Amino acid sequence: DAGITQSPRYKITETGRQVTLMCHQTWSHSYMFWYRQDLGHGLRLIYYSAAADITDKGEVPDGYVVSRSKTENFPLTLESATRSQTSVYFCASSSGWDLGSNQPQHFGDGTRLSIL
Amino acid sequence: AQKITQTQPGMFVQEKEAVTLDCTYDTSDPSYGLFWYKQPSSGEMIFLIYQGSYDQQNATEGRYSLNFQKARKSANLVISASQLGDSAMYFCAMREGLSGGYNKLIFGAGTRLAVHP
Repeated sequence: DAGITQSPRYKITETGRQVTLMCHQTWSHSYMFWYRQDLGHGLRLIYYSAAADITDKGEVPDGYVVSRSKTENFPLTLESATRSQTSVYFCASSSGWDLGSNQPQHFGDGTRLSIL
Repeated sequence: AQKITQTQPGMFVQEKEAVTLDCTYDTSDPSYGLFWYKQPSSGEMIFLIYQGSYDQQNATEGRYSLNFQKARKSANLVISASQLGDSAMYFCAMREGLSGGYNKLIFGAGTRLAVHP
């Protein structure tokens, strides 16, 4: 029972390159989220998706692109990577994130991305 | 202004003792939810416990309980009978209602807990 998996776990790339981080969940959760975790900033929301083909910006969306053609997948793309995007990226999903829901977000193991 | 404040960067506790990790929050929304997550050194984020703003009783999940004081806007995590495996970073997070943008979790800076044998 994998739940939510992220790939790759570690990635090193160079500035200016495009890189895609993958997120796959097996729970059929409607809601999916991307966060980045940085020292001094905690976790910040990049993008989220309420369902397939529905995405919206979070707190720090600049420089990132997402898509959600299938419920189970929510890839995050850095179109032209910059050093400031060096971070740990977490994908999360939730079965119900409607107003008043008590369902938590369940997180993947994270992707550690270094941009040189 | 900080929405979630965790004032203890680091805490130490002896194995088998109880420990309280502090969390205060700031919101004007009457409907909100509070979550605690654990992040071990391996890096994953593990959901521990949830408290809704309208919940009448403090949440409990096994050895975890939440000391929810609504008037003081605090939601402290209590871990009873600490175990070595409890050593980790602990994050308090809040989800606000409609007025706060209910689509996101707002995280505190975290408290690093070390359990000593």
